[in-house]
Amino acid sequence: DIQMTQSPSSLSASVGDRVTITCRASQNINIYLNWYQQKPGKAPKLLIYGASSLQSGVPSRFSGSGSGTDFTLTISRLQPEDLATYYCQQSYSIPLYTFGQGTKLEIK
Amino acid sequence: QVQLQESGPGLVKPSETLSLTCTVSSGSISRDYWNWIRQPAGKGLEWIGRVYSTTNTNYNPSLKSRVSMSLDTSKNQFSLNLTSVTAADTAMYYCVRSRLNSWGVWIFDSWGQGTRVTVSS
Repeated sequence: DIQMTQSPSSLSASVGDRVTITCRASQNINIYLNWYQQKPGKAPKLLIYGASSLQSGVPSRFSGSGSGTDFTLTISRLQPEDLATYYCQQSYSIPLYTFGQGTKLEIK
Repeated sequence: QVQLQESGPGLVKPSETLSLTCTVSSGSISRDYWNWIRQPAGKGLEWIGRVYSTTNTNYNPSLKSRVSMSLDTSKNQFSLNLTSVTAADTAMYYCVRSRLNSWGVWIFDSWGQGTRVTVSS
């Protein structure tokens, strides 16, 4: 199985800050990395696919980068509604999809 | 815009079978791939398996011996059965559509709201 490891597990930031979350795969997954946002009490929502492509309707302050084993999700200017837990997910080893453990983002 | 809605008992006794159904609206269930993903309270996401084209299935090896899924195209529904449940199966269960997008990337693009299942006597 491909293991996905996110860091940090949690972070606190202020409105307007630039926030970065990292995800590392246990083996090369090329660009087959997706990011999801899960707001409290809600189902996850797709933000980024293919490591860096923005899903339709997602604000442009979200961006993704990386390839191989190391990936990054960046929020350029944090907004109050970005309070959520963020998950990375590999779609390289199909159909055994695996997720990172999540990064809980709190607003100061 | 496809919509998914889970249904099923919220309480299941240990050693019994957990059975859930997902109803898909505004789309044909004959296409795409239909998944179950679960999330214990306060924890991460675990892919359980997927069903497609009526009879084709793939399961997470960690659950494979206890899981079965099926598709009912006449009702636009798909279902999950998980046998011999224990407290470790207590979780929010989501039904989810996956598809290969135009960029050749598999994505989970439509999620149900989730249904909470507790395993307890």
